[in-house]
Amino acid sequence: GIQVEQSPPDLILQEGANSTLRCNFSDSVNNLQWFHQNPWGQLINLFYIPSGTKQNGRLSATTVATERYSLLYISSSQTTDSGVYFCAVLRSNDYKLSFGAGTTVTVRA
Amino acid sequence: DAGVIQSPRHEVTEMGQEVTLRCKPISGHDYLFWYRQTMMRGLELLIYFNNNVPIDDSGMPEDRFSAKMPNASFSTLKIQPSEPRDSAVYFCASSPSPDARETQYFGPGTRLLVL
Repeated sequence: GIQVEQSPPDLILQEGANSTLRCNFSDSVNNLQWFHQNPWGQLINLFYIPSGTKQNGRLSATTVATERYSLLYISSSQTTDSGVYFCAVLRSNDYKLSFGAGTTVTVRA
Repeated sequence: DAGVIQSPRHEVTEMGQEVTLRCKPISGHDYLFWYRQTMMRGLELLIYFNNNVPIDDSGMPEDRFSAKMPNASFSTLKIQPSEPRDSAVYFCASSPSPDARETQYFGPGTRLLVL
């Protein structure tokens, strides 16, 4: 199956700092999503971004499909940004989302 | 819209008991997915349905697991008999028709502990 690698595995930030999370995938995809799993375990959709760039408040994401990677940017981080960020991809003619192992983000006040 | 609804939110049971997890997808979504999250294996797809029909159950770990979708607004995942290694968080997700290659919306999950 398709391999999804996220980096870094862990990230500790001071409140107000900026950061970049990376997702590499091993095959062509037609669906890429970023999720945030909060400390209560809930999976929250952040972006559906198979290609291009999107922004939502302090978060933005860029996917370069031809080079098989996606980046998630967190600007002016807040303690509520803490949690695990997952990248998930889906190949053409497939309906199975394959998840990366996640990046655990801890934002300290 | 209430989002995807799952029940129970927490379940503690003893080995050998039957466990039934329930899911109500978002109205109008024709695709329903069951995922399991563990520390060892991360998030993995167990089974998915399209228009109430199971399409791919290759992720179901073994015969002790079964899933049904009797109508468009309800699905169950059953484990019988349960074992301690089944302890995990089970998520249900749904996606709109006609193409599942869109955003999947996840429920809050059921945290299962088998003693």
